[in-house]
Amino acid sequence: DTGVSQDPRHKITKRGQNVTFRCDPISEHNRLYWYRQTLGQGPEFLTYFQNEAQLEKSRLLSDRFSAERPKGSFSTLEIQRTEQGDSAMYLCASSDQGTGNQPQHFGDGTRLSIL
Amino acid sequence: GENVEQHPSTLSVQEGDSAVIKCTYSDSASNYFPWYKQELGKGPQLIIDIRSNVGEKKDQRIAVTLNKTAKHFSLHITETQPEDSAVYFCAASMNNNNDMRFGAGTRLTVKP
Repeated sequence: DTGVSQDPRHKITKRGQNVTFRCDPISEHNRLYWYRQTLGQGPEFLTYFQNEAQLEKSRLLSDRFSAERPKGSFSTLEIQRTEQGDSAMYLCASSDQGTGNQPQHFGDGTRLSIL
Repeated sequence: GENVEQHPSTLSVQEGDSAVIKCTYSDSASNYFPWYKQELGKGPQLIIDIRSNVGEKKDQRIAVTLNKTAKHFSLHITETQPEDSAVYFCAASMNNNNDMRFGAGTRLTVKP
């Protein structure tokens, strides 16, 4: 399977705990995106990497959230001191770098449930 | 920033009928408009996209139209099949699509 891979698929944790998610993009894609999706809504942009550089962050990305892409390949998204409102599906997408907009391809997400 | 509105929120059609989903956007600088299909427990899957330099694009039973003046675009599915049942999302972005904005989704049900 050469699509976007996310791990774990599901995460259940208690409020106040830290969680980390991993995303492996399509291998030749140098752009990587994180989104959050709550029930009945479309995905909301969180942050974007081009290679290892984090180039844009949404105001939705509070200081409890941090994302890294150290070698320009896989990425991790960490949430510290989780809160009930963090319960959502966290989606990763990747795209090629080309002239203008390039299609973003999504993984199947990590569903986070905060008890 | 960009705001994308999508309607209807739910749509039920009989197998073989056509389905149309409409979206409007607010920022005239947006120039890329993809459509995604999301099945239960899965991530969004790109089904078709259109750029602002064309008014219509077709791929088998799926077509998308874009009206830049009115700032709206639509997804048309013809000869619907039960497998088309899913949630469909429209989206809009500007150059380099760093901050793509999605509509709230349309739940399409195709009755056999």
